[in-house]
Amino acid sequence: AQSVTQPDIHITVSEGASLELRCNYSYGATPYLFWYVQSPGQGLQLLLKYFSGDTLVQGIKGFEAEFKRSQSSFNLRKPSVHWSDAAEYFCAVGAPGNTGKLIFGQGTTLQVKP
Amino acid sequence: KAGVTQTPRYLIKTRGQQVTLSCSPISGHRSVSWYQQTPGQGLQFLFEYFSETQRNKGNFPGRFSGRQFSNSRSEMNVSTLELGDSALYLCASSLEGTYSGDEQYFGPGTRLTVT
Repeated sequence: AQSVTQPDIHITVSEGASLELRCNYSYGATPYLFWYVQSPGQGLQLLLKYFSGDTLVQGIKGFEAEFKRSQSSFNLRKPSVHWSDAAEYFCAVGAPGNTGKLIFGQGTTLQVKP
Repeated sequence: KAGVTQTPRYLIKTRGQQVTLSCSPISGHRSVSWYQQTPGQGLQFLFEYFSETQRNKGNFPGRFSGRQFSNSRSEMNVSTLELGDSALYLCASSLEGTYSGDEQYFGPGTRLTVT
């Protein structure tokens, strides 16, 4: 069965520092991978996606993620965090044939220190 | 292009009642998915509709149902509400729902509180 693990429930970084949020997935083939961000009381906003091709994908707001098949990982990175990046981040997996369904990790809450 | 809209945004109901939530997808999107978000269980897939047909379903009891109209708007219904149904219900739309180049766009959600 597909699953997604985000090992870090809560992360605190200083403004201007780099960020890496971890995501590991379990799936028999290469899935479709997504990172979403959710601000309090809001819906989810898509940051970036990986379907195929270049394993380093660029997203909005200066985020990027790297797909590593050998490690079943899809970690999200940002070189310099801004206070407005404080939110909850979700990694999600979709699979061919499993239409309309995303499986989400438990989320990582990012706190940014001034 | 307008985003996904959900109504109402907030709802308070009593145990045993039923509730209907509405979702209007992005224009041109034919797939609508519903998710339940709770602090304990996280984001869980309820079901997906495409061309007025339920095409996929998660592991929720039959009290949770939905439908989709010819204009792709969707509704979900929860009957005989339980305290545990208190959650943020999120709707997402996509072109085809098959991940062949498209992705899901989420609405702001409906916050349901059951007392």
